[in-house]
Amino acid sequence: NAGVMQNPRHLVRRRGQEARLRCSPMKGHSHVYWYRQLPEEGLKFMVYLQKENIIDESGMPKERFSAEFPKEGPSILRIQQVVRGDSAAYFCASSPGRGTQPQHFGDGTRLSIL
Amino acid sequence: GQQVMQIPQYQHVQEGEDFTTYCNSSTTLSNIQWYKQRPGGHPVFLIQLVKSGEVKKQKRLTFQFGEAKKNSSLHITATQTTDVGTYFCAGRDFGNEKLTFGTGTRLTIIP
Repeated sequence: NAGVMQNPRHLVRRRGQEARLRCSPMKGHSHVYWYRQLPEEGLKFMVYLQKENIIDESGMPKERFSAEFPKEGPSILRIQQVVRGDSAAYFCASSPGRGTQPQHFGDGTRLSIL
Repeated sequence: GQQVMQIPQYQHVQEGEDFTTYCNSSTTLSNIQWYKQRPGGHPVFLIQLVKSGEVKKQKRLTFQFGEAKKNSSLHITATQTTDVGTYFCAGRDFGNEKLTFGTGTRLTIIP
């Protein structure tokens, strides 16, 4: 079984550009989570989605950040008008359902802002 | 909001020594999970604890969940170089799918 697939692995953007990060969950998983990790720090929850629905976006900055998980295709984390402070590793995780299910992580996207 | 703290932040041990990391939540948890992240890698699920006072073992790793379900520990016996990495606990509140990750403990091994 293919694991959680994230692309690109590395993304370089200039200040003011848009960044699009993609995540395809494991087969059979309908729950997707996005986390941000700054160097030498832990993972910060951003958003939890199921197909076509945002369930919990309490960790998402109010501006410039958005996420979607359409009926067809991968989940997308979109950052508009990027700033230097957006430089981080962004990890996607998926699980098959609610409750006590463990989360399986992708390799992450390392975003660098010039 | 919920906070999950881990101590120590860093731990350097001689190969063969034991290692323990402690995790404390500001709220009572539904369950707690442990993950390991190698340098440059992604978090890998190790185990989940659900019951109060639960103890689980995986070879040289022993995981405990406190009676009050607010704290947890991971103990590694006789560390090996393959144990290098950052160990995170992640707690889940009741009725909430969100995992709150701890601050992590970075383990380095001196050969």
